[in-house]
Amino acid sequence: TQLLEQSPQFLSIQEGENLTVYCNSSSVFSSLQWYRQEPGEGPVLLVTVVTGGEVKKLKRLTFQFGDARKDSSLHITAAQPGDTGLYLCAGTGSGGSNYKLTFGKGTLLTVNP
Amino acid sequence: DTAVSQTPKYLVTQMGNDKSIKCEQNLGHDTMYWYKQDSKKFLKIMFSYNNKELIINETVPNRFSPKSPDKAHLNLHINSLELGDSAVYFCASSPNSGPRRGYTFGSGTRLTVV
Repeated sequence: TQLLEQSPQFLSIQEGENLTVYCNSSSVFSSLQWYRQEPGEGPVLLVTVVTGGEVKKLKRLTFQFGDARKDSSLHITAAQPGDTGLYLCAGTGSGGSNYKLTFGKGTLLTVNP
Repeated sequence: DTAVSQTPKYLVTQMGNDKSIKCEQNLGHDTMYWYKQDSKKFLKIMFSYNNKELIINETVPNRFSPKSPDKAHLNLHINSLELGDSAVYFCASSPNSGPRRGYTFGSGTRLTVV
C-alpha cells in the first residue's frame, strides 16, 4: 500500500508570512498532485507534477517534486487569508493502477489577518 | 456550467435505512470515482468505474453498491446504514488518460446516520 505522509498537520500563521508543507512517501509515484479544499466543498486541483525535480509556480505558490519522485513540497510566499484551507497531496502509482489516487491526510492552513 | 454534481448535499437518516447518492458529470470524462472523507478529513477511494466498467473496488462492505448506467453517471446505494457510515462522500471524475491530469470533485454529500 502506498502511503503519503503530510506535515505539518495543522499550521496557523499571520498574513504575510511564508510557509512550506511537505508530502513524503517511501514509494515512488508516477505523478503527484496538490489540491486545496475549502469547508463544504470538494478538493480543487492546484497542480500536477510528473517529472523528478520538477518545479511549478502558481502565483505565490511553488510546488516541487523530489528527484526520486517520492516526495513533494508546497511553498507559499506572503500568505494571505484567502489561502486558508485544507491542502492535500495525492499521488498516482508507479506501475500500479493509474486510476487510483492516494491522498495524504492533509495540512489545515489558517492565515490570520 | 461544466462540473461534477452530486445530490443530495446533506442526508440524515436512521440506522438500518437504505439510501442512494447520485452523481453526474458533464465533462466528457471516462472515469468516475467515489471517495469517502472521514471526520479527520482523510480521503479514501471506494470505487472507480471506467466507461461503465468497475475497475477499482477497495475493501468496502458489500452494503455499498455503485451503479453506473452510463459513463456520465455513477450512483452509490447503501443498504442497512450503520453509525460508522457517517462521513462526507465525494464523487469525482477524470479523463481516460487517468488521474494524472487531475480529478474534478463534486461538492460532497454529508451523510449522518442517527
